[in-house]
Amino acid sequence: ETGVTQSPTHLIKTRGQQVTLRCSSQSGHNTVSWYQQALGQGPQFIFQYYREEENGRGNFPPRFSGLQFPNYSSELNVNALELDDSALYLCASSRAGLAGIQETQYFGPGTRLLVL
Amino acid sequence: DAKTTQPPSMDCAEGRAANLPCNHSTISGNEYVYWYRQIHSQGPQYIIHGLKNNETNEMASLIITEDRKSSTLILPHATLRDTAVYYCIVRVPPRSAAGGGNKLTFGTGTQLKVEL
Repeated sequence: ETGVTQSPTHLIKTRGQQVTLRCSSQSGHNTVSWYQQALGQGPQFIFQYYREEENGRGNFPPRFSGLQFPNYSSELNVNALELDDSALYLCASSRAGLAGIQETQYFGPGTRLLVL
Repeated sequence: DAKTTQPPSMDCAEGRAANLPCNHSTISGNEYVYWYRQIHSQGPQYIIHGLKNNETNEMASLIITEDRKSSTLILPHATLRDTAVYYCIVRVPPRSAAGGGNKLTFGTGTQLKVEL
């Protein structure tokens, strides 16, 4: 069984650019959640994808968007990058089990984004 | 989701038990207690979760008080590799279709330092 994987591991962008981060969910998982973790803080929920649709969103502007593909992998896109977008971006996958209850989330290693 | 309170830091000698407390006095009847840990610059790692009974797995034990207002995560024989930030989170496992999404609300956690 493979765990959650993310790519790339590190990325440097300049202000105003766009970035796409990728996540492959753990085998058997059908839900992906994305989190942003600024230095010294706990992860903050960005949004969740289930059945290829956004299903729940945190306090992030529309320039943060995502996709989920039929194989349950996911992308996080951030447009018009700002300096404050510099952070560790984490992907977590889980499975909707019996009666649609979401089971435990498992995290990937993260993508470290630096915006200059 | 109920709010949790954890001490900001704790020290533990290697080989000793590490007991990490968490207060969740406003927890509701259907909320579970989850524990994750995050080793520096890595993704959070799931440890254990429970509702009201004590739980044990290969990593740790979770002791929940009878009134469910607090809990303790026990690492029975701490090693240097257990040095990490430990997060206590309480939540209701959501249904996939729920608008609230699958978010985990992370606080600041407890920085556990295991020393020789």
